[in-house]
Amino acid sequence: EVQLVESGGGLVQPGGSLRLSCAASGFTFSTRWMTWVRQAPGKGLEWVANIKPDGSDNYNLDSVKGRFTISRDNAKNLLFLQMNSLRAEDTAVYYCGTSGGRDIDYWGQGALVTVSS
Amino acid sequence: QSALTQPASVSGSPGQSITVSCTGTSSDVGGYNYVSWYQHHPGKAPKLMIYDVSYRPSGVSDRFSGSKSGNTASLTISGLQAEDEADYYCCSYRSSGTYVFGPGTKVTVL
Repeated sequence: EVQLVESGGGLVQPGGSLRLSCAASGFTFSTRWMTWVRQAPGKGLEWVANIKPDGSDNYNLDSVKGRFTISRDNAKNLLFLQMNSLRAEDTAVYYCGTSGGRDIDYWGQGALVTVSS
Repeated sequence: QSALTQPASVSGSPGQSITVSCTGTSSDVGGYNYVSWYQHHPGKAPKLMIYDVSYRPSGVSDRFSGSKSGNTASLTISGLQAEDEADYYCCSYRSSGTYVFGPGTKVTVL
């Protein structure tokens, strides 16, 4: 059974940093693209970033470029999202997902990130 | 501000068919057969319903179908059931290598 479990969410002040993790199991992690998607309170889903199976390349939402970094550890089946210079508008539930193709076929339950003073 | 357009809400009675549209541009929806649809119940993980425009993942009811014409993709739910009430999002691959979600459509079963 595929499982994705996010952790690392919490309350952080504007300008602060937070690192989200996503622990994967039930599939061959090193062969799949991984993705982060977020949902701000009362808003829709927003694609944030994804990373190639071998970690050699990644793509990011324009508004997080230079602030967020997606990475992975294929030896430990872990996906990360390092978030720096956080803003109030980054407040959201962050979901990790895995892609068999050009979609997200498995999702985690999400981790809440709140940026507030 | 999403680059894709979806109706804010669509409703139908049990047993009826409804269609949710998703309009983009030639740089996303119209340029690639990589449109996916997700069902999202509040507080739960989103669920993939359709991928690559019209393919259904294993386990998804055949009441759900997808199509595309030009820059507009569509999700049709036939034989509407109470459990189908949820938010539905389209998502498209873009020429930049990134992806974009639509703003979401609230489907209500009357």
